[in-house]
Amino acid sequence: NAGVTQTPKFRILKIGQSMTLQCTQDMNHNYMYWYRQDPGMGLKLIYYSVGAGITDKGEVPNGYNVSRSTTEDFPLRLELAAPSQTSVYFCVSKSTAGAYGYTFGSGTRLTVV
Amino acid sequence: DQQVKQNSPSLSVQEGRISILNCDYTNSMFDYFLWYKKYPAEGPTFLISISSIKDKNEDGRFTVFLNKSAKHLSLHIVPSQPGDSAVYFCAASVGGYQKVTFGIGTKLQVIP
Repeated sequence: NAGVTQTPKFRILKIGQSMTLQCTQDMNHNYMYWYRQDPGMGLKLIYYSVGAGITDKGEVPNGYNVSRSTTEDFPLRLELAAPSQTSVYFCVSKSTAGAYGYTFGSGTRLTVV
Repeated sequence: DQQVKQNSPSLSVQEGRISILNCDYTNSMFDYFLWYKKYPAEGPTFLISISSIKDKNEDGRFTVFLNKSAKHLSLHIVPSQPGDSAVYFCAASVGGYQKVTFGIGTKLQVIP
């Protein structure tokens, strides 16, 4: 049981480039989230989804886009990378039924130069 | 506006002693609280939670205390072990089903 799988683990982008951070979960969880963690800061919510076909903005959505065509996958798209998007990105999933916490992926460390 | 605050960025404790990590929150609507533990290069993992109907929840060496009137919770680790060295995030949500707000984390170092 893989849980939440994020790829890539590391990436260096040049300013203005685009990329997609992949996230897939095999737990049949309805809720999925993207967070970013900047040094010395807490986790900030970028986008979230309560089920396939439904997405919504979090605290810091600017510069990002998401889609949720299946229950399993929740990719995060950066269209025009900026240095301010240098961060560690975590994909998270949660079962609707439980009032327990999230299951995190291992993170993607992104550097924009 | 930081709704979940962890004011101590780091804490060092001797092995075998008690570690106490503190967390304050400002949103009175929060009624479900969680602690996560994060090792370097890994995602955070769920450690323990507490609902606002309780003031204490215990799981082995880990106990979380909730003081609703003070909007304060704490995580106690007894006895502390070197493997507990990690960053601990305090988190809160409304209803337990909604998105979770995280603190900035406290880095715990347990010294052998």
